[in-house]
Amino acid sequence: SQQGEEDPQALSIQEGENATMNCSYKTSINNLQWYRQNSGRGLVHLILIRSNEREKHSGRLRVTLDTSKKSSSLLITASRAADTASYFCAPCLSASGGSYIPTFGRGTSLIVHP
Amino acid sequence: GAVVSQHPSRVICKSGTSVKIECRSLDFQATTMFWYRQFPKQSLMLMATSNEGSKATYEQGVEKDKFLINHASLTLSTLTVTSAHPEDSSFYICSASKKVAEETQYFGPGTRLLVL
Repeated sequence: SQQGEEDPQALSIQEGENATMNCSYKTSINNLQWYRQNSGRGLVHLILIRSNEREKHSGRLRVTLDTSKKSSSLLITASRAADTASYFCAPCLSASGGSYIPTFGRGTSLIVHP
Repeated sequence: GAVVSQHPSRVICKSGTSVKIECRSLDFQATTMFWYRQFPKQSLMLMATSNEGSKATYEQGVEKDKFLINHASLTLSTLTVTSAHPEDSSFYICSASKKVAEETQYFGPGTRLLVL
């Protein structure tokens, strides 16, 4: 399965610290996406990294991708209490109809204490 | 922008009733819409993929007669949970993509279904 598996399952840090979440998957992918979900809400797309990219930045977010190890990481620098949420990685493979369908793991639950 | 809405945001119903959930793309036309369900502290599981005007493609293990999907227009898809039972209680989330082969999906806020 191409489902992503996030590690750790839960992470608790103080405001201002960096938060690193890891993701592993099993099959080849076209791209890998990270999403954020606040409790009981929908998903917000954070960042997409393609299989031919190794690192990508967006504001305080830094994503890496190692296709040889089939792994990715999401780094949130200088975390804030508002970053408290669940974070999901979603390896994507193009489906037969052309759509990219992300497959989700259980996510990492991040708590940032003020 | 790319905003997707869902209605209702939460619904409580009696066992045996049918529940319809709407998913709308508000500021774009969605060639493809997806339906997911999520149990507490679990991952999102893809239920089905639907393209406007054609039958939905269901994932293995998802009963198509139980979860009826209609994608009548480029901005609206509906999921009907027929004869709902308590085990159908879950968080249902839709997403949409703007064009075929688009890499990013835009997610709705979800619908919390509780079947008593």
